[in-house]
Amino acid sequence: GENVEQHPSTLSVQEGDSAVIKCTYSDSASNYFPWYKQELGKRPQLIIDIRSNVGEKKDQRIAVTLNKTAKHFSLHITETQPEDSAVYFCAAINAGGTSYGKLTFGQGTILTVHP
Amino acid sequence: GAGVSQSPRYKVAKRGQDVALRCDPISGHVSLFWYQQALGQGPEFLTYFQNEAQLDKSGLPSDRFFAERPEGSVSTLKIQRTQQEDSAVYLCASSQNGLAGTQETQYFGPGTRLLVL
Repeated sequence: GENVEQHPSTLSVQEGDSAVIKCTYSDSASNYFPWYKQELGKRPQLIIDIRSNVGEKKDQRIAVTLNKTAKHFSLHITETQPEDSAVYFCAAINAGGTSYGKLTFGQGTILTVHP
Repeated sequence: GAGVSQSPRYKVAKRGQDVALRCDPISGHVSLFWYQQALGQGPEFLTYFQNEAQLDKSGLPSDRFFAERPEGSVSTLKIQRTQQEDSAVYLCASSQNGLAGTQETQYFGPGTRLLVL
């Protein structure tokens, strides 16, 4: 099955700096890659996603890039703010065979933005 | 409209007790997923329903875990004879359609935090 590796496990930045989180996946059939933000004790919330037919997607301060050949994708947050502090999870969907869209998550990155 | 809701939000059980966790998906959503999130880890897939049909239960860790969605809306995850290793947050998610290989957004509930003593 699919395996997703996420790095780094913790990331500390100063307010206004950029943050980058990287993920690799194992199943070349995966074609949908969402990123979720989870604040302490809260539900995971989708912040951005990318499909395999595009290489980059941007939404204000957040961008995601996808390299299908290398099977890795990254989350980029620019001009970080303290409210960006949370745990971020990447995920992949194995779209082949009898898969029904179950997400395989990375291990998570704890992002801390210092004022 | 209302998002995915789950109840109870917190559950403390003594080892050996049975528990039932409820998920109310977004109205009209065909697909419903259950995930287990251990402390400090990413969610892990447990089972998937398309309407009332349980099409994938490959992630259920043992036969003590059972899920149902009899009318294609509300779902219940039941854990029999709970063990300490069952302590985790149980997340429910729903998405609009049920196509194989779907690329749809999954909307998560707030989770039920289960602690087995």
